[in-house]
Amino acid sequence: AQKITQTQPGMFVQEKEAVTLDCTYDTSDPSYGLFWYKQPSSGEMIFLIYQGSYDQQNATEGRYSLNFQKARKSANLVISASQLGDSAMYFCAMRFTSGSGYSTLTFGKGTMLLVSP
Amino acid sequence: GAVVSQHPSRVICKSGTSVKIECRSLDFQATTMFWYRQFPKQSLMLMATSNEGSKATYEQGVEKDKFLINHASLTLSTLTVTSAHPEDSSFYICSARRLMTGGGTDTQYFGPGTRLTVL
Repeated sequence: AQKITQTQPGMFVQEKEAVTLDCTYDTSDPSYGLFWYKQPSSGEMIFLIYQGSYDQQNATEGRYSLNFQKARKSANLVISASQLGDSAMYFCAMRFTSGSGYSTLTFGKGTMLLVSP
Repeated sequence: GAVVSQHPSRVICKSGTSVKIECRSLDFQATTMFWYRQFPKQSLMLMATSNEGSKATYEQGVEKDKFLINHASLTLSTLTVTSAHPEDSSFYICSARRLMTGGGTDTQYFGPGTRLTVL
């Protein structure tokens, strides 16, 4: 069974500092995808970054980078130079093929990030 | 980036009434859309997978007669909560699947969500 674990319910960081949000996963599928989404208080889910299980290099998107350690089954999100607008809930998700044959996402419980001035 | 809209953003209804929520992909065609439910301070839980032109696939424990899904076109999926009750009050989020640039993989783009309150 597929499982995503986010062990940090909340994280605090000061503006302009870097922060790492942890995510570990468990799957027996050789092919999978890992995603990070940001959910501000408005509720919208915003796609941040994607890492494929066969990608050799860690994904990067602007201030976001994904520290992918396949042997450890971890896919931590690193946000560099935090900004006040980064305060939000962050979800790690994994794409897998469900029993019905459709590609779908399973989400971790999320980490609330608060950025202070 | 890809845009998915959802309407309405908020709805308050009386117990026993039905509520329809629309999910539209605005700048791409989506053969597959998903409906999620999110309780306060919890993660998203997949309710069903909606495929254009065919019946939706429901996750275990989700009542298909209560949550009717119709994916009538490549840009529109609707979720109807029938005979709503207070326990159906929740945040409902749709997403649309889109192939990523370069092909080979896909991601889901989410709508802004609908907050349903059943009195």
